[in-house]
Amino acid sequence: LAKTTQPISMDSYEGQEVNITCSHNNIATNDYITWYQQFPSQGPRFIIQGYKTKVTNEVASLFIPADRKSSTLSLPRVSLSDTAVYYCLVGEENTGFQKLVFGTGTRLLVSP
Amino acid sequence: GAVVSQHPSWVICKSGTSVKIECRSLDFQATTMFWYRQFPKQSLMLMATSNEGSKATYEQGVEKDKFLINHASLTLSTLTVTSAHPEDSSFYICSASEITSSGGHIQYFGAGTRLSVL
Repeated sequence: LAKTTQPISMDSYEGQEVNITCSHNNIATNDYITWYQQFPSQGPRFIIQGYKTKVTNEVASLFIPADRKSSTLSLPRVSLSDTAVYYCLVGEENTGFQKLVFGTGTRLLVSP
Repeated sequence: GAVVSQHPSWVICKSGTSVKIECRSLDFQATTMFWYRQFPKQSLMLMATSNEGSKATYEQGVEKDKFLINHASLTLSTLTVTSAHPEDSSFYICSASEITSSGGHIQYFGAGTRLSVL
């Protein structure tokens, strides 16, 4: 079973900020939180990864509270091309790698 | 980010034939690679974990004799679908794991292979 829970779908408009929250109540001490974006018939694309507090890169920000039981992906000023499925994943720690179990993801629809 | 190349992107084959899919990490070495399959409108399902130089670890319910995985080098893993049947038609995606400077692991995914078995 996936270790995360996130909304099935979200709607937004161009230029708005979109925040997608993910719950991971059973996150383990060694687990990182990673977000991916997937377009139809393509492999997932890495967006951002964090362990605690806030992480920001050129495309998104990731907010992680102190208890790490949830995280929020923030997409500033979305465009139509941001319409995609967004997956929140918590790595399942193994020796030397982390196995990912994909949940249903959040289907984001950006309208004009 | 790191680049993972997957080939072919699309293949059509006759029932009973075997199909090989290649997954390459182009700019980093990957001790561990993963193979997923995805049906329309569904999420990715992990099939197996591939470790360089050792046997792959298959998820429950995945037939290891049907989905042969070879990870002969730190940059190449292959998935062979043996004696393919129409029910094997799906979208197959590979990923390669890279360790970050902060100790995390990031999986970078290939573009996927659409397999259609007639």
